[in-house]
Amino acid sequence: QVQLVESGGGVVQPGRSLRLSCAASGLTFSNSGMHWVRQAPGKGLEWLAFISYDGSNDFYADSLKGRFTISRDNSKHTLYLQMSSLRPEDTAVYFCAGPSIAVAPYLLGYWGQGTLVTVS
Amino acid sequence: DIQMTQSPSSLSASVGDRVTITCQASQDISNYLSWYQHKPGKAPKLLIYDASNLETGVPSRFSGSGSGTDFSFTISSLQPEDIATYFCQQYDDLPLTFGGGTKVEIK
Repeated sequence: QVQLVESGGGVVQPGRSLRLSCAASGLTFSNSGMHWVRQAPGKGLEWLAFISYDGSNDFYADSLKGRFTISRDNSKHTLYLQMSSLRPEDTAVYFCAGPSIAVAPYLLGYWGQGTLVTVS
Repeated sequence: DIQMTQSPSSLSASVGDRVTITCQASQDISNYLSWYQHKPGKAPKLLIYDASNLETGVPSRFSGSGSGTDFSFTISSLQPEDIATYFCQQYDDLPLTFGGGTKVEIK
């Protein structure tokens, strides 16, 4: 059974940094490209970033303007999102997600339950 | 970026009703369209992929159709446990984009 468990959320002041983690189990993590997605209160889902299975490539939403960095440690089966210069509008539930079909890395078959980040 | 327009934003229906949600892409995405169910505090759940393929273990009352730019999602007989928000997502290209979501309630 695949499990993705996010952690690291909490209340942070504007301008500060925070690192989120996503611990993966039950999937071949080292073969899976992974994503971060967020949902602000009362809003829809927003894709944030993707990292390839080996960490050699990453892609970001233009709206992040270089403030966020996605990374991974395959030896620990863990995905990270380093967030800096946080703004109140970054307040959201942050989800990690991964593919359930190896040949479809952008199909989000598995999701975590999310971790809440409040910038205030 | 590919824009996904989903409608309606909310609906109320009776148990046993047929419910349909639509999603329109701003450009041709072939069949790279998925549908998810999201309940508060839970992980979103993949229901449909490749526009019409039912994910393993998902009840057959859920279905999807369409290709190109116009897609639909149907619950053939609404059940109480189907109360949730449903959203579409295109995975033709990055950035991945989502529909605005449809909140389904029981009348």
